[in-house]
Amino acid sequence: SAVISQKPSRDICQRGTSLTIQCQVDSQVTMMFWYRQQPGQSLTLIATANQGSEATYESGFVIDKFPISRPNLTFSTLTVSNMSPEDSSIYLCSVALSVVLFFGEGSRLTVL
Amino acid sequence: QKEVEQDPGPLSVPEGAIVSLNCTYSNSAFQYFMWYRQYSRKGPELLMYTYSSGNKEDGRFTAQVDKSSKYISLFIRDSQPSDSATYLCAMRMGLANAGGTSYGKLTFGQGTILTVHP
Repeated sequence: SAVISQKPSRDICQRGTSLTIQCQVDSQVTMMFWYRQQPGQSLTLIATANQGSEATYESGFVIDKFPISRPNLTFSTLTVSNMSPEDSSIYLCSVALSVVLFFGEGSRLTVL
Repeated sequence: QKEVEQDPGPLSVPEGAIVSLNCTYSNSAFQYFMWYRQYSRKGPELLMYTYSSGNKEDGRFTAQVDKSSKYISLFIRDSQPSDSATYLCAMRMGLANAGGTSYGKLTFGQGTILTVHP
């Protein structure tokens, strides 16, 4: 397994602001993934972050809204930009080992 | 129709009961099947992972896959209050069928909320 740390664990944000979530992994990994878990919903993949290249976004998610950085093999950030109440969710960082994914504890965002 | 359907519950059982959690899926390209447990305010924790049709046992947990019926189950024997959590099924395509799909794309069920009361 992998140890995945996320910051912040939770935050309350004002509409129109942006927040950056950090993800640190205890080992080097090629790919890191960002998921969203909306209240009462299942997890949805936002994007794949590869070191040294631009992130690849899933349908319905765009770089302007969710810019991602991947400066090295153990770290990634996800920014939620120009937030609205609809962005209130848990955002989860994930890495793959073989065919399964391991998740961080999540960052719970509430947008007022 | 959702690709993966999971009864959201909630499911409430007495301690010691056998719990059955189920998911159905429609995409025959799914080849890997996982069960995650998520405690309140925590990230999903991998419980079991299977590939083949049939049963896989790990302690009190048994994962069952029936690819012909597109149906997977997780059985919990001798359930404990500490098993109270949300259980998520997840599945992914085989890499040969993934095409342009992200390697990290799992399709999750909605999750079943389980409460085991003493």
